[in-house]
Amino acid sequence: DAKTTQPTSMDCAEGRAANLPCNHSTISGNEYVYWYRQIHSQGPQYIIHGLKNNETNEMASLIITEDRKSSTLILPHATLRDTAVYYCIVRVASSGATNKLIFGTGTLLAVQP
Amino acid sequence: NAGVTQTPKFQVLKTGQSMTLQCAQDMNHEYMSWYRQDPGMGLRLIHYSVGAGITDQGEVPNGYNVSRSTTEDFPLRLLSAAPSQTSVYFCASSYLRGTEAFFGQGTRLTVV
Repeated sequence: DAKTTQPTSMDCAEGRAANLPCNHSTISGNEYVYWYRQIHSQGPQYIIHGLKNNETNEMASLIITEDRKSSTLILPHATLRDTAVYYCIVRVASSGATNKLIFGTGTLLAVQP
Repeated sequence: NAGVTQTPKFQVLKTGQSMTLQCAQDMNHEYMSWYRQDPGMGLRLIHYSVGAGITDQGEVPNGYNVSRSTTEDFPLRLLSAAPSQTSVYFCASSYLRGTEAFFGQGTRLTVV
């Protein structure tokens, strides 16, 4: 699985959009970009994933560059409850052993009141 | 719908003791896995299973055993606990063809 690079930490004002970057310059053509988050002391929570098109769901939007070497997770209106560590993970489409998720150290997003 | 349930939530062991961390899911997921998380680090994969009777090693399998006799349960065994195994342990499950993994709330283990 391709490695990812994320900033260690970021701040965001409550109510503003939070934009979390991720670099994955060695991503392969069959690898997806996944985002999970982990609120303090809880188990990780799935947010969104994508291959090459931008994706949006009720939690967030995922913007993937045309060359697929980087992506940005956007939380449109951050709240204090969005304070968490956000993990960007790259892996092939789900298929048996490749279901495994390899976590890096993620980005600690601190939403400020 | 309980999702992924881990027991116990907290445990203190003495060095050399054995114990089993329980993980159960009620979503009929084929894939289950165990992770450990140490302070300031991301989750590291210990063992995983793609179905009943099938298990394999992850990144950090030493000191841990697993088995998968049913689809629902995936216990993690520590045969002889060591202080280096002090950590928070997370169990996860997903469909083999699924995209979303579901995690339990974790077991905080301290080995003294």
